[in-house]
Amino acid sequence: AQSVAQPEDQVNVAEGNPLTVKCTYSVSGNPYLFWYVQYPNRGLQFLLKYITGDNLVKGSYGFEAEFNKSQTSFHLKKPSALVSDSALYFCAVRDEDGGFKTIFGAGTRLFVKA
Amino acid sequence: NAGVTQTPKFQVLKTGQSMTLQCAQDMNHEYMSWYRQDPGMGLRLIHYSVGAGITDQGEVPNGYNVSRSTTEDFPLRLLSAAPSQTSVYFCASSNGYEQYFGPGTRLTVT
Repeated sequence: AQSVAQPEDQVNVAEGNPLTVKCTYSVSGNPYLFWYVQYPNRGLQFLLKYITGDNLVKGSYGFEAEFNKSQTSFHLKKPSALVSDSALYFCAVRDEDGGFKTIFGAGTRLFVKA
Repeated sequence: NAGVTQTPKFQVLKTGQSMTLQCAQDMNHEYMSWYRQDPGMGLRLIHYSVGAGITDQGEVPNGYNVSRSTTEDFPLRLLSAAPSQTSVYFCASSNGYEQYFGPGTRLTVT
């Protein structure tokens, strides 16, 4: 069965500094990996995905993520954080051989301080 | 396009009552899912569907039923509500990879 771990409940970063939100996963086959963001009192929005190909994927709002198969990680990054990036971030994984079942992590709350 | 719509937005139930959370999408997506969001637990998959007439269980299916008679609709039924089902429920649809989420239903069971 697939699983996702987001080891940090909260990440604090100053505006203008780079940010990283960590994610590790476990699947039996090849992974499909996703990042979503949830702003206060709103639904979830898709940020980016890794399906196959280049290990560095770029997404919405200047975010990017790097797929590392040997470390089973898919960390979310942004070179320069904005206060408006403050939100709850979820990593999700789907096993290529497991149908459409998509499992989410517990979420990481990002605080960007001005 | 309205995207994914969910009704109601808020609901309070007494223990033992039943209800149906409605979910509809107008994007002609084959895949639909129901999740519940609880503090510190992230989103947990309840049930999902890969097309009309096809449903499967997720991580936490007990206490919930689903059916998918049309591509557009994917209702979630609570047959006998329990306080442990107090949560925010999100429906999502997909064309195969990323999912598009509805605004959620906040359910309280007393």
